[in-house]
Amino acid sequence: QKEVEQDPGPLSVPEGAIVSLNCTYSNSAFQYFMWYRQYSRKGPELLMYTYSSGNKEDGRFTAQVDKSSKYISLFIRDSQPSDSATYLCATQGGSEKLVFGKGTKLTVNP
Amino acid sequence: ETGVTQTPRHLVMGMTNKKSLKCEQHLGHNAMYWYKQSAKKPLELMFVYSLEERVENNSVPSRFSPECPNSSHLFLHLHTLQPEDSALYLCASSQDWTSTDTQYFGPGTRLTVL
Repeated sequence: QKEVEQDPGPLSVPEGAIVSLNCTYSNSAFQYFMWYRQYSRKGPELLMYTYSSGNKEDGRFTAQVDKSSKYISLFIRDSQPSDSATYLCATQGGSEKLVFGKGTKLTVNP
Repeated sequence: ETGVTQTPRHLVMGMTNKKSLKCEQHLGHNAMYWYKQSAKKPLELMFVYSLEERVENNSVPSRFSPECPNSSHLFLHLHTLQPEDSALYLCASSQDWTSTDTQYFGPGTRLTVL
């Protein structure tokens, strides 16, 4: 079983839509959860960082972690064309190295 | 820009060539990383260096040889590569490698092996 599962998409939505991106993970030792955003021809950049379960909000972005179901989500409200990128979830815990999902390619159409 | 630069940005090489990828970080970090990013696959950690010492080597074939001459520079020497090694090679750095410090990524080198 892969450590982090993420649907690679692609996902295409109209401007202004609410976007939901999701990952599941298998290792219950993971405690730190991140979302990275990667624009075309660029490296990943950290977008959101969450410790343990709960929600974290930053502007139009909300990260949600449910450790009981090993499910992590990223919601984007009022999506913009500039949000078009690949979104990678990542997790880490204790002495474990950072583990990434495959990434979901998102396109927001004007 | 993230403070991590990589050169070259694109590289095409034959299977018998020898080439090197270069990474430089301007953030004063102690840890540096090499990742491989292939289409439809998760980022794969290849090597980790902390204070110029290799601390992790994830079963990477010997045709990939890392070098870290100081805490700001990291190289990946390539020789006798295979077509399946074609990928985006990303360098990253963080304050330390044992904590959950944020990793800052460079733009990557797009490698094509013919």
